[in-house]
Amino acid sequence: EDKVVQSPLSLVVHEGDTVTLNCSYEVTNFRSLLWYKQEKKAPTFLFMLTSSGIEKKSGRLSSILDKKELSSILNITATQTGDSAIYLCAVDRFHGSSNTGKLIFGQGTTLQVKP
Amino acid sequence: DGGITQSPKYLFRKEGQNVTLSCEQNLNHDAMYWYRQDPGQGLRLIYYSQIVNDFQKGDIAEGYSVSREKKESFPLTVTSAQKNPTAFYLCASSQRQGPQFFGPGTRLTVL
Repeated sequence: EDKVVQSPLSLVVHEGDTVTLNCSYEVTNFRSLLWYKQEKKAPTFLFMLTSSGIEKKSGRLSSILDKKELSSILNITATQTGDSAIYLCAVDRFHGSSNTGKLIFGQGTTLQVKP
Repeated sequence: DGGITQSPKYLFRKEGQNVTLSCEQNLNHDAMYWYRQDPGQGLRLIYYSQIVNDFQKGDIAEGYSVSREKKESFPLTVTSAQKNPTAFYLCASSQRQGPQFFGPGTRLTVL
């Protein structure tokens, strides 16, 4: 059965700390791995990683895909209170030459950044 | 102003009632999706549609129904057959090879 596992499930840090969130997956026909940030409501898209794009960076956030280890990490440097959220990892799979769109989500990591 | 809208924001349902959640997008995306989120859990796929007039069941389709008569609209009906419908419902859309973008969600509570 395909699955995505995130760790840790929750994390409390202080402003200015650097955090690393983990996502591991066991899926058939892997196509891409996505990271989302969820505050009160809808998840907002952060990164999509594929075989042709295994490292992404945006400001203080960066992510790497390790296809050999079947995992990904999301790094946040110089954390701020506004980074407090649930971070979701999801995996998409190939169906033929296209993606299925049937994302499998991990359970999420809840990050709390204290002032 | 492009995006995905969902309505209502909050919805209360009595036992035995069917209710319909609205999802509209003006991003010209081909694919649309419905997810359910329960406390402390990730999102689970209910139904998805990659083209107008076609849709497929996701992992937890029992007790739900959908239609896709227009590209921009993908309503979800929660039927009385859904035994535990209290949850946060999220609609998403995407281009074929792109990431999914989410609407603001509808919180459904059964009274």
